[in-house]
Amino acid sequence: GAGVSQSPSNKVTEKGKDVELRCDPISGHTALYWYRQRLGQGLEFLIYFQGNSAPDKSGLPSDRFSAERTGESVSTLTIQRTQQEDSAVYLCASSGGIWGKLFFGSGTQLSVL
Amino acid sequence: TQLLEQSPQFLSIQEGENLTVYCNSSSVFSSLQWYRQEPGEGPVLLVTVVTGGEVKKLKRLTFQFGDARKDSSLHITAAQPGDTGLYLCAGDKVGDDKIIFGKGTRLHILP
Repeated sequence: GAGVSQSPSNKVTEKGKDVELRCDPISGHTALYWYRQRLGQGLEFLIYFQGNSAPDKSGLPSDRFSAERTGESVSTLTIQRTQQEDSAVYLCASSGGIWGKLFFGSGTQLSVL
Repeated sequence: TQLLEQSPQFLSIQEGENLTVYCNSSSVFSSLQWYRQEPGEGPVLLVTVVTGGEVKKLKRLTFQFGDARKDSSLHITAAQPGDTGLYLCAGDKVGDDKIIFGKGTRLHILP
């Protein structure tokens, strides 16, 4: 596709359940980011993939959060045993070529009841 | 610890007025970017500044990178209701290539 695609766009889950969020980056982009945005707030860095390098996981808030990326393609962010404080919009972005220019998806709105 | 501090957090002004918002850090950045985000969408890049002291203009928007590459400002001339949105600064700290964001300035322009 032409842009970054995220699915699902909305996810409602019960506390304690696991959720998996998907990101399809722009083809050829070597860098991929996940950010969390709470209501009315800025973007909180979660994890960064760059090519074949080891991912920078320094922003993951707890060991309930993990992410994988298949080569330079799809990425999934998994949250285990969800808590109410995990409710937020999860944004994925990819970058390639132009320094600092991130292209964002529209995000997944996660609501934990 | 928030590496990029943005001020003010909120700004509501009348159409036609001028405004400046700020992005500050105690760290040196290789580059800083400004993004604008509208409700329900991801942020969209407005500009990237990479050289200390650099000034870039985008129509009514003027962006400046501090001489020491620790801060940046965004000045809007004759604000319009279409400028309403969340303005985010972002950048990569020297020695660390990941992009981090500030908490943003929420701007509301009243018609």
